[in-house]
Amino acid sequence: AQSVAQPEDQVNVAEGNPLTVKCTYSVSGNPYLFWYVQYPNRGLQFLLKYITGDNLVKGSYGFEAEFNKSQTSFHLKKPSALVSDSALYFCAVSPGRAGGYQKVTFGTGTKLQVIP
Amino acid sequence: EAQVTQNPRYLITVTGKKLTVTCSQNMNHEYMSWYRQDPGLGLRQIYYSMNVEVTDKGDVPEGYKVSRKEKRNFPLILESPSPNQTSLYFCASSSLGGAWGGSYEQYFGPGTRLTVT
Repeated sequence: AQSVAQPEDQVNVAEGNPLTVKCTYSVSGNPYLFWYVQYPNRGLQFLLKYITGDNLVKGSYGFEAEFNKSQTSFHLKKPSALVSDSALYFCAVSPGRAGGYQKVTFGTGTKLQVIP
Repeated sequence: EAQVTQNPRYLITVTGKKLTVTCSQNMNHEYMSWYRQDPGLGLRQIYYSMNVEVTDKGDVPEGYKVSRKEKRNFPLILESPSPNQTSLYFCASSSLGGAWGGSYEQYFGPGTRLTVT
């Protein structure tokens, strides 16, 4: 069965410092990997994805993530955090192959708090 | 405007009273899905659909039904709601990835907050 782990319930970072939100996954074959953000009382918004190609992917609002196949990780990063980045972040995986099941599995979420 | 709409946005009901939450998308997406969000559990997939008349169970399908008679609509049906189905529900849609068929990034609806008493 596929799974996603976000080991930190909350990450605190000072404004202007780099931030990392961790994600590891387990899935058969070559995965599609995603990060989504949820602001308070809002739906989820897509941030970035890895499908194939360059392991470093860039997304919205200055975020990027690195796909590491050997460590089965897809950590979210940003060089300089903003207070407005404070939100709940979800990592997700889908099997990324034709046929068969196409479940999408989300992690439990990491609350990012950027301190002014 | 490309969007996923859900109705109702808020619903309070009683145990055993059948209800339907509607979901519609205007992006011609093949893939549609329902999730529930509960504190500490993240989003858990209830059902998904790869196309019209093609649906499959997610991780928490018990107590729910879905149908996909038209490409744009994917209603979620609770035949006999129970208090443990009190949750925040999201509908989402996406295109499928070329020859490989994987689900691309999803577009989410605004959510439906359901309370079952």
